[in-house]
Amino acid sequence: GAGVSQTPSNKVTEKGKYVELRCDPISGHTALYWYRQSLGQGPEFLIYFQGTGAADDSGLPNDRFFAVRPEGSVSTLKIQRTERGDSAVYLCASSLYRTGQNEQFFGPGTRLTVL
Amino acid sequence: SQQGEEDPQALSIQEGENATMNCSYKTSINNLQWYRQNSGRGLVHLILIRSNEREKHSGRLRVTLDTSKKSSSLLITASRAADTASYFCATDGAGGSYIPTFGRGTSLIVHP
Repeated sequence: GAGVSQTPSNKVTEKGKYVELRCDPISGHTALYWYRQSLGQGPEFLIYFQGTGAADDSGLPNDRFFAVRPEGSVSTLKIQRTERGDSAVYLCASSLYRTGQNEQFFGPGTRLTVL
Repeated sequence: SQQGEEDPQALSIQEGENATMNCSYKTSINNLQWYRQNSGRGLVHLILIRSNEREKHSGRLRVTLDTSKKSSSLLITASRAADTASYFCATDGAGGSYIPTFGRGTSLIVHP
């Protein structure tokens, strides 16, 4: 079946603008995660959804970042008033369920560049 | 903060040699996973080892886990140029959390 998809693959925006990044998880996966990865670093956790609700949003850096998953499948990460420091690759991952067998399937990422 | 830390940061070997990467972590875990990432986009899950397991194999991959030392190693045998990638360990279970926490990764280059 299809893997995790993310759109757009690349996004260039200007400082102060609003952006939305979309993630389509694997069908049937109840858990969805957003990460941010800067060059030379590992993925940094942002937010985790179990179904429609944000089970853990402790990784969101500030209130400019928000994510939704209204129907428990597709998720959108929203960034308001973008700053140059927001430039990174934003990765989405899904897993069947939040269990001890927590294999995550990652999408290809969205490369966000804030000018 | 990143729970797992990989060592070395970079590794360069010739095709056919074995590559060993290590991961150390600070707090108790439920399980530890290794991922591979090519070209900075998308991670591919390689292997998961539970806290009550000591060793797992998958093809040319061998993972060990020593919970007393809070460390894991990933061994790739008979490496190929296609193994060139960054390798990350991810741990979860710290403080009861199921959020996988990634290290900074080991950059492996396999020369043909």
